[in-house]
Amino acid sequence: DGGITQSPKYLFRKEGQNVTLSCEQNLNHDAMYWYRQDPGQGLRLIYYSQIVNDFQKGDIAEGYSVSREKKESFPLTVTSAQKNPTAFYLCASSNAGENTEAFFGQGTRLTVV
Amino acid sequence: LAKTTQPISMDSYEGQEVNITCSHNNIATNDYITWYQQFPSQGPRFIIQGYKTKVTNEVASLFIPADRKSSTLSLPRVSLSDTAVYYCLVAQGDTGRRALTFGSGTRLQVQP
Repeated sequence: DGGITQSPKYLFRKEGQNVTLSCEQNLNHDAMYWYRQDPGQGLRLIYYSQIVNDFQKGDIAEGYSVSREKKESFPLTVTSAQKNPTAFYLCASSNAGENTEAFFGQGTRLTVV
Repeated sequence: LAKTTQPISMDSYEGQEVNITCSHNNIATNDYITWYQQFPSQGPRFIIQGYKTKVTNEVASLFIPADRKSSTLSLPRVSLSDTAVYYCLVAQGDTGRRALTFGSGTRLQVQP
């Protein structure tokens, strides 16, 4: 089936460790996005990519890094520089052009202890 | 850059029509307005998208006035399962590098 997959669903890490969240899509979408959501809050944009080997910072990029080496994949690394990394992380993809429907993964809930 | 403003929360009862209004005063000429629905611990899902006047699908209607500075999502005869957060989106950023930026959304609570 076509779709966007995030893994794992739950992730636990010790403070000070980097951790990479996976996002894969087989929808042949050019654009991919990473969002962070805290309890009771809306989605905040971390990074986005409109094309392979190119990406832009969103509103809260500090402490995060991404890569876009393949069209299908857009992994997000939460670095030790991120002061409050515990959150729900959502990945999305869409066709090129901002006025298209975005498809979301089921999210990864990261807990840093 | 376009920024959206929505009510933080709304309450309704089963069977009623719910209208959620979003303001986007700085919407660009070529921007569409898109609405998403999100249930707890899930990713948002697309509901409806429009450019002007009225758009209707099997789930909702979207009303956009001529000046396009606001839009209203209409949910007919809501049920308990419509309890969710609803987001209004307008793309933001420079042409060619624009992104989908979500606001805080409207938390709809449907009571029996």
